[in-house]
Amino acid sequence: DQQVKQNSPSLSVQEGRISILNCDYTNSMFDYFLWYKKYPAEGPTFLISISSIKDKNEDGRFTVFLNKSAKHLSLHIVPSQPGDSAVYFCAVNQGGKLIFGQGTELSVKP
Amino acid sequence: DVKVTQSSRYLVKRTGEKVFLECVQDMDHENMFWYRQDPGLGLRLIYFSYDVKMKEKGDIPEGYSVSREKKERFSLILESASTNQTSMYLCASSDRGNYNEQFFGPGTRLTVL
Repeated sequence: DQQVKQNSPSLSVQEGRISILNCDYTNSMFDYFLWYKKYPAEGPTFLISISSIKDKNEDGRFTVFLNKSAKHLSLHIVPSQPGDSAVYFCAVNQGGKLIFGQGTELSVKP
Repeated sequence: DVKVTQSSRYLVKRTGEKVFLECVQDMDHENMFWYRQDPGLGLRLIYFSYDVKMKEKGDIPEGYSVSREKKERFSLILESASTNQTSMYLCASSDRGNYNEQFFGPGTRLTVL
């Protein structure tokens, strides 16, 4: 049974608008929640993280929100740019091991 | 520029063959990881290592083994390749105590016929 779920395999957004990527998890004991980005033919790269004691973390155009009561994580990208088109994986840190979701492919159209 | 390199981008093997996937990092990282990526399943951890000669099973270790004889090198071994091991294999490394930010190689697309 998957502990981390990204229920939307794909998302299409217009350039300049907000992209919202969602992730649900099952275990309330996770310490850190992460987002990675992956371009074709490259390995994933770390994007942003949030500790379980916070509910928001911001880094430039990227903001991660954590709703612990709903066991829900989201990544907001504002404004979206064509270069943001990639597959986004959410992940949780469980005792030093990362557990990844299935990924959401974001397409930002000019 | 920090780097994780993997020995092959594409590999085609036959069922029953022994397969070696090599990974080298130049960041002097203690931690190294092997994942496989499959459509609809995301990345799944096969094995990881916290130090030379140490190894730990991940979530899907069956059919795989690993070797870490030097700090910079982590090898994934398929003792007898099977068709269900056709996948994208990704190696990663991270600094001691930092398990959140892992640095990934470009991946090896393995096809087992």
